Amino acid sequence: DVKVTQSSRYLVKRTGEKVFLECVQDMDHENMFWYRQDPGLGLRLIYFSYDVKMKEKGDIPEGYSVSREKKERFSLILESASTNQTSMYLCASRLQTSYEQYFGPGTRLTVT
Amino acid sequence: SQQGEEDPQALSIQEGENATMNCSYKTSINNLQWYRQNSGRGLVHLILIRSNEREKHSGRLRVTLDTSKKSSSLLITASRAADTASYFCATVPSGTYKYIFGTGTRLKVLA
Repeated sequence: DVKVTQSSRYLVKRTGEKVFLECVQDMDHENMFWYRQDPGLGLRLIYFSYDVKMKEKGDIPEGYSVSREKKERFSLILESASTNQTSMYLCASRLQTSYEQYFGPGTRLTVT
Repeated sequence: SQQGEEDPQALSIQEGENATMNCSYKTSINNLQWYRQNSGRGLVHLILIRSNEREKHSGRLRVTLDTSKKSSSLLITASRAADTASYFCATVPSGTYKYIFGTGTRLKVLA
């Protein structure tokens, strides 16, 4: 079974802190995604990586950056956390040749 | 908005009944997928239907797709308490890699 893990289930950070969210997948998937999920808004794509060191902005990249130095790991960075970045963050991966995404359990981030 | 929309937003049924939820979208698509999310967890892929398919079955799930109306429905037959979850449709517009998720239907199955 594909396994996608995220570094934390719950995280509390202060405004202005730099925050790292880590995602690791164990099935050699080329593509990886970061989403945020907010009530009433569904999932919104922050960044997408189609291969190592490759990245593309999603629909809401402002205030975020990403890093993909190794195929299995995709990191989301909040350069200076703000209260409006309080949300559930979901990582996903997929094979380049498949549309099925595999999701991690999510990180619920609270910025105070 | 690029978001798809599901209806109803919430649905409460008795165990053994069928649950139907609908999804509408806005652009031409390669395929449409349904995902399930248990409370506070990640999403799990349920089923994918391609744009040239009209109906697909998987166990107790039946998905239909009407590209002329830009809509899909998910039917869960003989529902169980374990089916309690939120259900999301996701479309992949033609020519893109991006997934557009709907806002979800919260299903509660009462034992």
